[in-house]
Amino acid sequence: DQQVKQNSPSLSVQEGRISILNCDYTNSMFDYFLWYKKYPAEGPTFLISISSIKDKNEDGRFTVFLNKSAKHLSLHIVPSQPGDSAVYFCAASNNGKAAGNKLTFGGGTRVLVKP
Amino acid sequence: DTAVSQTPKYLVTQMGNDKSIKCEQNLGHDTMYWYKQDSKKFLKIMFSYNNKELIINETVPNRFSPKSPDKAHLNLHINSLELGDSAVYFCASSKTFADTQYFGPGTRLTVL
Repeated sequence: DQQVKQNSPSLSVQEGRISILNCDYTNSMFDYFLWYKKYPAEGPTFLISISSIKDKNEDGRFTVFLNKSAKHLSLHIVPSQPGDSAVYFCAASNNGKAAGNKLTFGGGTRVLVKP
Repeated sequence: DTAVSQTPKYLVTQMGNDKSIKCEQNLGHDTMYWYKQDSKKFLKIMFSYNNKELIINETVPNRFSPKSPDKAHLNLHINSLELGDSAVYFCASSKTFADTQYFGPGTRLTVL
């Protein structure tokens, strides 16, 4: 039972253009969402997060949008750079609602930014 | 300095063996985790410890036993290894259980 889904396994984009990654969730108890970036043979690296009380959070070239009614979030990267080529994981949790802050991850989207 | 480190990075072993993976964090965090990334690339939580106390134990076979000798370490011991245990295991830590988690580089376990 996948509570967090990333329906696009891969995405190819030209350098300088916008990358849009999508994530859907089913559990209405989720109230905190994160994006992690992962390079091969490395662990996931935290990128950006958003609380359910917001609908947008921006950090430099990265912006996360949350649509609670649709149970959907997206990550925008603009402009995309070759160094952004990686696998991006969406994750969700009940932040602080239960000890341990269990993260539920999506399956990842592989992004390739072409020079 | 590596914030969250794991040893070994690669582990190849035979079915039925017992093996351990070590994790150490030098961030001063209170909470540590073990995740498993299976062949379908999904990351799933296995265990979480807060101040050396087990607080999350997902549906994991009891062949898997985490051990936290102190707040900076969370080791994973696996008994009677099976083919299906082959995966990449990630350790993570966070300041408290409500904070951002930082991951180690992973340990690729291959059971032959």
